[in-house]
Amino acid sequence: QKEVEQDPGPLSVPEGAIVSLNCTYSNSAFQYFMWYRQYSRKGPELLMYTYSSGNKEDGRFTAQVDKSSKYISLFIRDSQPSDSATYLCAMSAGNFGNEKLTFGTGTRLTIIP
Amino acid sequence: KAGVTQTPRYLIKTRGQQVTLSCSPISGHRSVSWYQQTPGQGLQFLFEYFSETQRNKGNFPGRFSGRQFSNSRSEMNVSTLELGDSALYLCASSLEQGPGQPQHFGDGTRLSIL
Repeated sequence: QKEVEQDPGPLSVPEGAIVSLNCTYSNSAFQYFMWYRQYSRKGPELLMYTYSSGNKEDGRFTAQVDKSSKYISLFIRDSQPSDSATYLCAMSAGNFGNEKLTFGTGTRLTIIP
Repeated sequence: KAGVTQTPRYLIKTRGQQVTLSCSPISGHRSVSWYQQTPGQGLQFLFEYFSETQRNKGNFPGRFSGRQFSNSRSEMNVSTLELGDSALYLCASSLEQGPGQPQHFGDGTRLSIL
């Protein structure tokens, strides 16, 4: 079983819809949680970065972390065609000397105009 | 501010050859990590460098190696290339090594093995 599970999709939604992307994890040592967006032929771009449990909002994006359930989510409001990309969740324990990120497999999202 | 720069962007090699990939981190960033991305396995951690020292290593064979220079630039080397080494190799940099530093990625080097 992988440490981080993410539904690979693909997920297609109409423009303007609310998108919900999720990951579950098994390692209780994870403390730092990130969402990356990756366009075709590009590297992952950091979208959201959170520490421990709680919510964080940035424009149309909201990240939620529930450590008790080992579950994280990314919500995209008023989705746009430019949001079409692969979304990757990532997490780390954040221990000094061990900063490696463990990634989900990514969810391919398409926003239909 | 320039982002993480990786060169070359594309590379074609044959089995048995070796290859060196280069990464220039964001100015001021001192920590560099390397990841391999494939359709089947996703993103997997290769190694992490800080102050020219390898701090952490993933579960890859010894054919994969790396180094970091005093200006924080990093290189990774893969020897005796195998078909399964075909992948996108990504470099990420962070400001310094410390708990939960956000990592910023370059666009990668796409390596194809014939």
